Amino acid sequence: AQSVAQPEDQVNVAEGNPLTVKCTYSVSGNPYLFWYVQYPNRGLQFLLKYITGDNLVKGSYGFEAEFNKSQTSFHLKKPSALVSDSALYFCAAYNTDKLIFGTGTRLQVFP
Amino acid sequence: GAVVSQHPSWVICKSGTSVKIECRSLDFQATTMFWYRQFPKQSLMLMATSNEGSKATYEQGVEKDKFLINHASLTLSTLTVTSAHPEDSSFYICSARDLGGLDYNEQFFGPGTRLTVL
Repeated sequence: AQSVAQPEDQVNVAEGNPLTVKCTYSVSGNPYLFWYVQYPNRGLQFLLKYITGDNLVKGSYGFEAEFNKSQTSFHLKKPSALVSDSALYFCAAYNTDKLIFGTGTRLQVFP
Repeated sequence: GAVVSQHPSWVICKSGTSVKIECRSLDFQATTMFWYRQFPKQSLMLMATSNEGSKATYEQGVEKDKFLINHASLTLSTLTVTSAHPEDSSFYICSARDLGGLDYNEQFFGPGTRLTVL
């Protein structure tokens, strides 16, 4: 079955430290991968995507993600976290015309 | 560009009534819109795919007679929750795919509608 996994329900990091939010996928064929962020009572905001090409993808607000085909991973990273980055992050993969979402990871950045 | 709006942003209704939620693509045309449901602290669950001018495609387990979807134009899709009950209370999010966009696979999400059924 096609699936996206986010193994961590919550990630805590101090402001200024690097952050990583993990995502692995199980999708047939070449994956189209996305990261979205959701703030309370809001819809999803697009952060970045991987379609093809360079494995390191740069996106909005200083976020980047690294596509690793051998590990079937697409971890979200940021070199220096901000308190305002605190939100719910979703990894998603395209499969047969539908987006499959992970369960989400809540990122908490402490001052 | 690529803005999707939803109306209303929140609604409270009595059990047994019907509620209509609108999803609009403001600056692009969308032949396909998607409706998701999100439970508290959970991921998004795709309910149905809405195609302009044709019947919606519902995911397994979603009652098509309860969640009526209409996609009458390239910029508007509506979700009507009929005879709403408290268990229908949830956060409903729509998304739209840009017909003329560079990336056919990218979806743009609306801000969501919080439905509370008393």
